[in-house]
Amino acid sequence: NAGVMQNPRHLVRRRGQEARLRCSPVKGHSHVYWYRQLPEEGLKFMVYLQKENIIDESGMPKERFSAEFPKEGPSILRIQQVVRGDSAAYFCASSPGTGVHQPQHFGDGTRLSIL
Amino acid sequence: DAKTTQPPSMDCAEGRAANLPCNHSTISGNEYVYWYRQIHSQGPQYIIHGLKNNETNEMASLIITEDRKSSTLILPHATLRDTAVYYCIVRGDNNAGNMLTFGGGTRLMVKP
Repeated sequence: NAGVMQNPRHLVRRRGQEARLRCSPVKGHSHVYWYRQLPEEGLKFMVYLQKENIIDESGMPKERFSAEFPKEGPSILRIQQVVRGDSAAYFCASSPGTGVHQPQHFGDGTRLSIL
Repeated sequence: DAKTTQPPSMDCAEGRAANLPCNHSTISGNEYVYWYRQIHSQGPQYIIHGLKNNETNEMASLIITEDRKSSTLILPHATLRDTAVYYCIVRGDNNAGNMLTFGGGTRLMVKP
């Protein structure tokens, strides 16, 4: 069974460009979560989506960042006009539901580097 | 969600049991204790979770004290591949529990 797939694994962008990070959840999982990990820090929650809906975006920066999880296709985390401070590892997780016995399973992340 | 406290680092000899402690003194009645680990350059990997009873699976055992203010993750026979950062996370069974709050974790180094 395929786990959470994220691509690309590494992404390099220049300041001002757009970054698009993709996440395909575990088959059958309809709940997706995005986290960001700055160098030498723990993961920080960004956004939680359930098919076509944003449920909780309390950890998402108010500007330049957006996320979607369309009915068909992967979830996308989009960062517009990237800045150096956006350099980080971005992890996606998925779960079949939100119950305590349905833990989130993570992908191996996209490492974003801003030149 | 309750805050957790873990030692920043620990060493363990290969083949021996690794016992990783976690304090969560402000845990409330409906909050579960989860453990994840993150091996270098990989995403976090779910290990185990529990409420108040001890739990065991193919990866590890979780021992939760009777007052639930602390717990210990036990890797019974640590291998070099168990070298990772281990995160203890408290999560409630409500909408606020959808996000996982990662602290600094414990960096476990398994040595030959």
